[in-house]
Order: sequence, then structure tokens, then C-alpha cells
Amino acid sequence: DIQMTQSPSSLSASVGDRVTITCRASQDISDFISWFQQKPGKAPKSLIYGASNLQSGVPSKFSGSGFGTDFTLTISSLQPEDFATYYCQQYKSYPRTFGQGTKVEIK
Amino acid sequence: EVQLVESGGGLVQPGGSLRLSCAASGFAFHNTWMDWVRQTPGKGLEWVANIKKDGSEMYYVDSVKGRFTISRDNAKNSLFLQLNSLRAEDTAVYYCSASLNQWGQGTVVTISS
Repeated sequence: DIQMTQSPSSLSASVGDRVTITCRASQDISDFISWFQQKPGKAPKSLIYGASNLQSGVPSKFSGSGFGTDFTLTISSLQPEDFATYYCQQYKSYPRTFGQGTKVEIK
Repeated sequence: EVQLVESGGGLVQPGGSLRLSCAASGFAFHNTWMDWVRQTPGKGLEWVANIKKDGSEMYYVDSVKGRFTISRDNAKNSLFLQLNSLRAEDTAVYYCSASLNQWGQGTVVTISS
């Protein structure tokens, strides 16, 4: 199975900060990676697919990059509604696997 | 508007069975791979299974192989997950998802004696 390792596991940031979350795959997954946002008690929401493609309706403050094994999710200017847990997920092979999550908290 | 509504969760004893359902609307269900994903209390997400558009291919995470069965009824825009030989570690919120792009709100499965 492909292991997805996110870092950091949690971070504290202020409104307006630029935030970067990293995801490393245990083997080459090309660009078959998605990013999700989850708020407490809610279902995950898809943000990005194909490493860098924004889902319809997702604001442009979110961006993704990377190829192969190393990927990043960046939030350009953190807003109150962005405090949540973020997950990466690979769909290069089965079983699909998620990272352990990165919790973004208010500083 | 895409809607995915799960049902069928509940409290079951270890070794028991449940059948989860997901009613889909607002998109071309018959043309969409469908997934089940679960989330244990306070923990992360675990992909469970998915099924091809026409139901001809299914894939599972190892921990549920031989115990869970994913199926679909394209005529009724419905997705199912049959859970057998349930264990305490199967306790989770189970989400139905359209290719991991759209998600339902989840149904809670609790395995306890």
C-alpha cells in the first residue's frame, strides 16, 4: 500500500497568514493526489484533484503543487473559515490511502 | 444540486451485519464511480471500497475484504455496502462519495456488545 505522510500534524496560524501543508507519498504517484478540507462534524470537502486543479467553486486562495512523491497544499491568506483539518489522498493505486491529516488552528 | 444521503447505520453486536444505503441525486449516477469511506471517532479517513460505473469492478481495502460487499442499482440511483462479520474496529462514520468529489453527510455504525 502507498503510505501518505502529512506534515505538520497540526499548526497554529493567524488570519492573513500563508500556510503550507506537505504530503509525501511512499512511492511515485505521478499527480494522482487530491486534497480535502474537513470541519468538525462535517463531511470532507474536495478542494484539489490532480495535484493542482481546483474543484469548481473552491476559492483561488487554495493551490496545490508537486509531482511524484512530494506535494504541497498552500492557503495564500488564511481566513476564519479555513480553520479545519486537511487531508491528502492518493488515487494512483488501490487501496486508496489518505494522509493522517493536518489540523489548522487559530493562533 | 448533488445529494448523497446515507442510511442504515446503527448499533450492532460483534459478528453481526448491517446494510448501508446511499440515495444519489443531482448527477449522472450511472456514469460515476462510487466510493465508501469511513472515519473512526476522532481519527482520520479510511477508504473502504469503490465500484465501477456499471458495477462490473469492485475494490476493497484489505481489512474489509471477504466481509464487506459494495453494490449499486443504477436504475434506482442507489449505492449499497453490506457489512458482515462486524468487529469493534469497524465502528465509524461511513460516508458515501461520488468519486471522492461529492460526499454525503455520513451514517454512524457502532459495533458493541
